[in-house]
Amino acid sequence: DAKTTQPPSMDCAEGRAANLPCNHSTISGNEYVYWYRQIHSQGPQYIIHGLKNNETNEMASLIITEDRKSSTLILPHATLRDTAVYYCIVRFYSGGSNYKLTFGKGTLLTVNP
Amino acid sequence: GAGVSQSPSNKVTEKGKDVELRCDPISGHTALYWYRQSLGQGLEFLIYFQGNSAPDKSGLPSDRFSAERTGGSVSTLTIQRTQQEDSAVYLCASSLNPTVGNSPLHFGNGTRLTVT
Repeated sequence: DAKTTQPPSMDCAEGRAANLPCNHSTISGNEYVYWYRQIHSQGPQYIIHGLKNNETNEMASLIITEDRKSSTLILPHATLRDTAVYYCIVRFYSGGSNYKLTFGKGTLLTVNP
Repeated sequence: GAGVSQSPSNKVTEKGKDVELRCDPISGHTALYWYRQSLGQGLEFLIYFQGNSAPDKSGLPSDRFSAERTGGSVSTLTIQRTQQEDSAVYLCASSLNPTVGNSPLHFGNGTRLTVT
């Protein structure tokens, strides 16, 4: 399965854009890039996912490079409530029909006032 | 709409006792996953259900752990003869269509299990 590499931690000022990078140089052609976040004491929250094209929803934007070897999650106007661990995951197909998620250590994003 | 519901939210049990953890997935979701997260650690995959069958049990740490799913809906994770190392948050997730990589998993808030 494709592995991902993320910085262990990042800081961002409240109101500014948070840009979280992720490297996934061994990604396969049919593997999606998913982003989740986990706020303390809660289950992981789905943010966004994409295959080749850039994606945007009400929470964030996902920018995927043309060679698909890296991506960036953008929170356009970070708030204190966005402080969380952010996970970049390449979705792993494990035979049959199981597209399970394999979580790494993620990036701890701290939004400062 | 309702998300994934897990109960109880907290469970304290004595070493050696059996525990059952329950998960109610999002209505209509055919796939159901169990994960666990030990304190300060990442998420560890345990088992996957498609309907009522479990084609992937590769993450269950020992034969003390088992899970079942009935009616293609509710799932129960059972831990027999609990040990202190079983203390963790047990998370359940469901997804609409596991046959494509384009169907997000949605997680509940977990059951925090403490074995004393």
